[in-house]
Amino acid sequence: GNSVTQMEGPVTLSEEAFLTINCTYTATGYPSLFWYVQYPGEGLQLLLKATKADDKGSNKGFEATYRKETTSFHLEKGSVQVSDSAVYFCALILGNTGKLIFGQGTTLQVKP
Amino acid sequence: EAGVTQSPTHLIKTRGQQATLRCSPISGHTSVYWYQQALGLGLQFLLWYDEGEERNRGNFPPRFSGRQFPNYSSELNVNALELEDSALYLCASSPPVRSGIRNQPQHFGDGTRLSIL
Repeated sequence: GNSVTQMEGPVTLSEEAFLTINCTYTATGYPSLFWYVQYPGEGLQLLLKATKADDKGSNKGFEATYRKETTSFHLEKGSVQVSDSAVYFCALILGNTGKLIFGQGTTLQVKP
Repeated sequence: EAGVTQSPTHLIKTRGQQATLRCSPISGHTSVYWYQQALGLGLQFLLWYDEGEERNRGNFPPRFSGRQFPNYSSELNVNALELEDSALYLCASSPPVRSGIRNQPQHFGDGTRLSIL
């Protein structure tokens, strides 16, 4: 079936460190891919998206590239801040189902 | 632009009762989605409405139901509440399906925390 797998957390980094959160997917077809972020006590915020192979999504210093050959969509940021501490979700959607399929989420903690 | 709004923020019920959760989409959005975020189970798709019609449904029992009103707001109803229904229920919205652009990003509200005692 269709699924998303994220690296297990928590990920703990010092401020200004480089961030990578791995995400791989299994899908029958060509999904659109998303990263969402959830701050404590809040809903999900769309961080970035990519709709086809080799697309790069970017926002607020975060980037992810849709890699069809490795079925991956890893999230990266060159220099994290304390305010980036949150739970990050990778997700895919296939066809016209309206159904986002989420990974389990990765908790990021950034220390000053 | 106002985001997706959900009410109430918190809801406490007992087993066997019924719960009604409400969602107002972003202005101009006609698609509304419901998800359940339960501890240990992650985010799971419940329902999708577009322009008043149910378009898709997740793997949940029939006691989870909903509807969409002419102004595109939506209700999620959960009957015969069970302890395992305790979760954060998230609503999301996106532009109309008829826009012709598939898989538009879904924009989420802050959720309703449903607690079953």
